[in-house]
Amino acid sequence: QVTVKESGPVLLRPTETLTLTCTVSGFALNNPYTGVSWLRQRPGKALEWLATLFSSDDKFYFPSLRTRLTVSKDTSSTDTSRRQVVFTMTTVDPADSGTYYCARIPLYVYDSSGYHGAFDVWGQGTLVSVSS
Amino acid sequence: DIVMTQSPLSLSVTPGQPASISCKSSQTLLNRDGRTYLYWSLQRPGQSPQLLIYEVSNRLPGVPDRFSGSGSGTDFTLRISRVEADDVGVYYCMESTHFPWTFGQGTKVEFK
Repeated sequence: QVTVKESGPVLLRPTETLTLTCTVSGFALNNPYTGVSWLRQRPGKALEWLATLFSSDDKFYFPSLRTRLTVSKDTSSTDTSRRQVVFTMTTVDPADSGTYYCARIPLYVYDSSGYHGAFDVWGQGTLVSVSS
Repeated sequence: DIVMTQSPLSLSVTPGQPASISCKSSQTLLNRDGRTYLYWSLQRPGQSPQLLIYEVSNRLPGVPDRFSGSGSGTDFTLRISRVEADDVGVYYCMESTHFPWTFGQGTKVEFK
């Protein structure tokens, strides 16, 4: 069974760095043509795609947030079965408050116009609040 | 960025009756490879989104056949032939033909 689960702090102060971890099971991060994405849902707003780490090791970020976002595989453990993707957002602001999700892309297409895919398995989401 | 516009934003339905949601994109979603990367998801109350339909009209395994997707270019529609209690929630369309991938605002479906 494929699952993804987010973890990380729920309360931050403005200007701090948000670091979230997505722990996946049931698939490997290097499975061909797969990816793990981060999305968020701020109060009263639509879902927003933020970043994706593809199995090709390509990384894509929402353009206007590009300078604040990083997504990477967690390589700190020698346990090869540990499958985690780390998401960071620097200099958070109260406007960044919301529910953050990680989600799997089961099969992407890559062509001359870029990557194409969607999210079939989502985590339960983690509610992040930014307040002074 | 592509703008995805859903309508209506709220839909009150009678159980057993049909429902229809429109999603319009600001640019064609037909990709150079001939495929159209338009998806529909449902977020039930208190839950994470669930992918229902991929590439306009293909249901994921386990999705009831009362759900159907159609459309092309910039105009797309999700139809529910007979709405059931389990169908209540917010429906989102999403495109991944263009970068960045973009969602519609969502359509809230509830019972009368």
